[in-house]
Amino acid sequence: SQQGEEDPQALSIQEGENATMNCSYKTSINNLQWYRQNSGRGLVHLILIRSNEREKHSGRLRVTLDTSKKSSSLLITASRAADTASYFCATDAAGGGNKLTFGTGTQLKVEL
Amino acid sequence: DAGITQSPRYKITETGRQVTLMCHQTWSHSYMFWYRQDLGHGLRLIYYSAAADITDKGEVPDGYVVSRSKTENFPLTLESATRSQTSVYFCASSGTSGEFFGPGTRLTVL
Repeated sequence: SQQGEEDPQALSIQEGENATMNCSYKTSINNLQWYRQNSGRGLVHLILIRSNEREKHSGRLRVTLDTSKKSSSLLITASRAADTASYFCATDAAGGGNKLTFGTGTQLKVEL
Repeated sequence: DAGITQSPRYKITETGRQVTLMCHQTWSHSYMFWYRQDLGHGLRLIYYSAAADITDKGEVPDGYVVSRSKTENFPLTLESATRSQTSVYFCASSGTSGEFFGPGTRLTVL
């Protein structure tokens, strides 16, 4: 089973709106990472949040981590059409030997 | 240029043939990984390596072989390709700021 599960599976918003994606996982982690993948392209690393951190910002991205609920959220503020992509969370499980486990992703569509 | 590269980017082969996918990184990261990405399954780990000459199986290792004689290279070999190995393959390396992916190799097995 997937360690990271994203929610929702698909999200459609208007340009300028905020987009929030959630990720739940099952075991203790060292860190959680978010990636973006444009259609037919490779994965782009967005942000890494460690298990002892609760919130991180990078530009228009805001990531939160709640280890008690085993969940994370990715907020993209003031979305743009160029943000249209699939977004994946990946967890580095504690004691897992630096291996990442990916969820199946959230497909975000930002319409003009 | 610093980064992680994969070759070839596209490959078409036939069932039963041996195929090797190459991965090269310039960061001297200790950890390297191979994933495959298929519709409905997301990314699944095939093999990973903690350092040169140290490799271990991931979630879906059957039908694949890896080696890591040098820190910067991590080739993935399909010893006898099957149609079920048609996929997009991503190599990655891991540093303190995260895990970074190559551009992918799209492999089609006919």
